[in-house]
Amino acid sequence: KNEVEQSPQNLTAQEGEFITINCSYSVGISALHWLQQHPGGGIVSLFMLSSGKKKHGRLIATINIQEKHSSLHITASHPRDSAVYICAVIGNQFYFGTGTSLTVIP
Amino acid sequence: DSGVTQTPKHLITATGQRVTLRCSPRSGDLSVYWYQQSLDQGLQFLIQYYNGEERAKGNILERFSAQQFPDLHSELNLSSLELGDSALYFCASSVLPGARSSSSYNEQFFGPGTRLTVL
Repeated sequence: KNEVEQSPQNLTAQEGEFITINCSYSVGISALHWLQQHPGGGIVSLFMLSSGKKKHGRLIATINIQEKHSSLHITASHPRDSAVYICAVIGNQFYFGTGTSLTVIP
Repeated sequence: DSGVTQTPKHLITATGQRVTLRCSPRSGDLSVYWYQQSLDQGLQFLIQYYNGEERAKGNILERFSAQQFPDLHSELNLSSLELGDSALYFCASSVLPGARSSSSYNEQFFGPGTRLTVL
């Protein structure tokens, strides 16, 4: 049983497109992380949120605690956004989605 | 650069051996987390320490152990290694304990990882 489900698993977009990655979870949480993992393997935390919405540059993250759902949006996508995006939830311990592999084509 | 350092970067060893992975958290961070990322299982939480004490435990095998020292660096010890232990091992740190709190001081910063290959 997966506590965190992400969709889609793979996503290919044209440069400039608006992208949405979804995350649903089944456990009670105090916060949710969106992480970015580049092909080299390094992991960067993009957002940590527990309610509402956060924006950083072209990235927007939203969370609906009642619906147990979060979305990560990328506006005006760029090839450098190509990476794996991972949703992680913080409850009594830490659970991870399997990731969404994004490829942005010039 | 997250400020979290991990050594070594790469480690190749044989089945049955024992290895130690080291993590130094960001300056001022009291909490250290260990994660394993394998090709078939994705990222999995292993264990967390806060200010020297074990705080939360995830899917950590009995062959694995960890500790956090007074200077706040942490070590993950993996023994009786098996082929299936080959993975990327990440360490992360945060100011506060993390679980059960939504404070921004719980945001985790990840190290570059140690790639372990068991032959």
